[in-house]
Amino acid sequence: DQQVKQNSPSLSVQEGRISILNCDYTNSMFDYFLWYKKYPAEGPTFLISISSIKDKNEDGRFTVFLNKSAKHLSLHIVPSQPGDSAVYFCAAGMSGNQFYFGTGTSLTVIP
Amino acid sequence: GAVVSQHPSWVICKSGTSVKIECRSLDFQATTMFWYRQFPKQSLMLMATSNEGSKATYEQGVEKDKFLINHASLTLSTLTVTSAHPEDSSFYICSASGGGGVGQGAGEQFFGPGTRLTVL
Repeated sequence: DQQVKQNSPSLSVQEGRISILNCDYTNSMFDYFLWYKKYPAEGPTFLISISSIKDKNEDGRFTVFLNKSAKHLSLHIVPSQPGDSAVYFCAAGMSGNQFYFGTGTSLTVIP
Repeated sequence: GAVVSQHPSWVICKSGTSVKIECRSLDFQATTMFWYRQFPKQSLMLMATSNEGSKATYEQGVEKDKFLINHASLTLSTLTVTSAHPEDSSFYICSASGGGGVGQGAGEQFFGPGTRLTVL
């Protein structure tokens, strides 16, 4: 059973606009959430994280929002740039333990 | 951030041979290392969790006799795919967690670049 779901396999956004990537999880015990970015044939690179004690974390153009009651998190990228085109994975888990990954959303930023 | 390396980055082998993949944490001590496998267009699937100095914990459905994991030091874990077959062809990724410290976070993992295994 998929504990972390990314229901949009792909997303296209115009350069300069906002990209919103969504992620849902099922286990209310999860207390740490991560977003990773992955280019083809490369390993994932860490992007941004949020713990369950917060509902928002911002790092430059990237902001992650957490809605614990809805078991939902989202990644906002603004403004989107062509170099942001990649596959984005969200992951959720309990601190110090394994993380469960979503199936990824392929973002294409159109120049 | 912390750096994790994997070697080799790409390996091609004949069916029946064994392949060893190394995962190293270059600038921190990794108390826990995780091995993931990614099939095309699918999410990363955890194969096993290894803690330094103890036996790895394998996920359900992963053959521990086929995927041998050794975590002999705080900076090195190895995954050996024994008697590899074409269905083992995949992208294998390790991650390392130091369990805390500057830039590491309470649950943050640092990923290696991955190893692409092709079994002919």
